Amino acid sequence: QKEVEQNSGPLSVPEGAIASLNCTYSDRVSQSFFWYRQYSGKSPELIMSIYSNGDKEDGRFTAQLNKASQYVSLLIRDSQPSDSATYLCAVYNTDKLIFGTGTRLQVFP
Amino acid sequence: NAGVTQTPKFQVLKTGQSMTLQCAQDMNHNSMYWYRQDPGMGLRLIYYSASEGTTDKGEVPNGYNVSRLNKREFSLRLESAAPSQTSVYFCASTGGGWGNQPQHFGDGTRLSIL
Repeated sequence: QKEVEQNSGPLSVPEGAIASLNCTYSDRVSQSFFWYRQYSGKSPELIMSIYSNGDKEDGRFTAQLNKASQYVSLLIRDSQPSDSATYLCAVYNTDKLIFGTGTRLQVFP
Repeated sequence: NAGVTQTPKFQVLKTGQSMTLQCAQDMNHNSMYWYRQDPGMGLRLIYYSASEGTTDKGEVPNGYNVSRLNKREFSLRLESAAPSQTSVYFCASTGGGWGNQPQHFGDGTRLSIL
């Protein structure tokens, strides 16, 4: 079992819809969780961080964390074509940050 | 505001050649990291430096060496390049070490080994 798992996609949603991206992790003691966006040929950029159970909202983005079920998700409301990218989930546990392989999101007009 | 700067941006090497990838950050961060990214593999940690003067192995350290030259600079060296080291290399830094501080990434170095 991979430490951090994401569906590779692509996840295709129409413009204006809600995109839901999911991530599961294996280590129950994981403490901090991050979502990065990576455009093709570019470096990852941080879009959300979450540290406690529940929801955290920032503009059109909402991160959700459920430590009991060991999953973290990212919702993107009113999806735009400019949101088309690969979204990387990253989980910190003990002494290192582990990245998932990413979910490719495609938003079509 | 430069953030994390990596040089070079592109490089082609022949098998057996050596080279050093440079990374510098201007955010006064304590911790710095080197990752490689391959298709379908995500970001894999090669080496990291939690603070000036310390370095530790990550997930895939074989074939690489690092030097934390000072607080700003963290270099990655390939002593004898192999085709399996063809990848995109990212340097990152964070202020608070591992934990609740996110990492800031450089633009990457695209390295091809022939």
